[in-house]
Amino acid sequence: QKEVEQNSGPLSVPEGAIASLNCTYSDRGSQSFFWYRQYSGKSPELIMSIYSNGDKEDGRFTAQLNKASQYVSLLIRDSQPSDSATYLCARGGGNKLTFGTGTQLKVEL
Amino acid sequence: EAQVTQNPRYLITVTGKKLTVTCSQNMNHEYMSWYRQDPGLGLRQIYYSMNVEVTDKGDVPEGYKVSRKEKRNFPLILESPSPNQTSLYFCASSYGPPWSGNTIYFGEGSWLTVV
Repeated sequence: QKEVEQNSGPLSVPEGAIASLNCTYSDRGSQSFFWYRQYSGKSPELIMSIYSNGDKEDGRFTAQLNKASQYVSLLIRDSQPSDSATYLCARGGGNKLTFGTGTQLKVEL
Repeated sequence: EAQVTQNPRYLITVTGKKLTVTCSQNMNHEYMSWYRQDPGLGLRQIYYSMNVEVTDKGDVPEGYKVSRKEKRNFPLILESPSPNQTSLYFCASSYGPPWSGNTIYFGEGSWLTVV
């Protein structure tokens, strides 16, 4: 079982819709969770971090964490074409930061 | 401007020819690391360093070496490159361990092809 699992996509949503990206992790000792955005050919950039159960909102982005279900998600409201990218989920714990393989998001006009 | 600089950005080399990818950060960060990114496998950590003269293996260290003689520099050395090391490489740094919530800054990436 992979430490961090994501559906590779592509996930296609129309402009203005809510995009929902999901991630599961296997290590119950995981303490921190992150979402990175990576445009094609570019380096990843951090967009959200979350450490405790519940929701965390930052502008159009909301991260959700459920430790009991070992599940973390990212919601993007009012999706824009500029949101089209690959979104990497990562977990921290045990002196490691482990990334998932990423979900490709396409926001269509 | 805060940045992580990698060189070269693009390189085609031949099997067995030693090469070094340099990485330098100007943020006085203690933590530095190297990742490789491959289709379907995501970002995998090669080596990391918690401070000067302190390095440790990541998930895929075979075929690579690193050194941390100065705080700002963390070169990645491929002593005898092989085609399976063809990949996109990222250097990254953060003030402290990224798993503790410290923001990690990535370099622009180095595309390496070994033929």
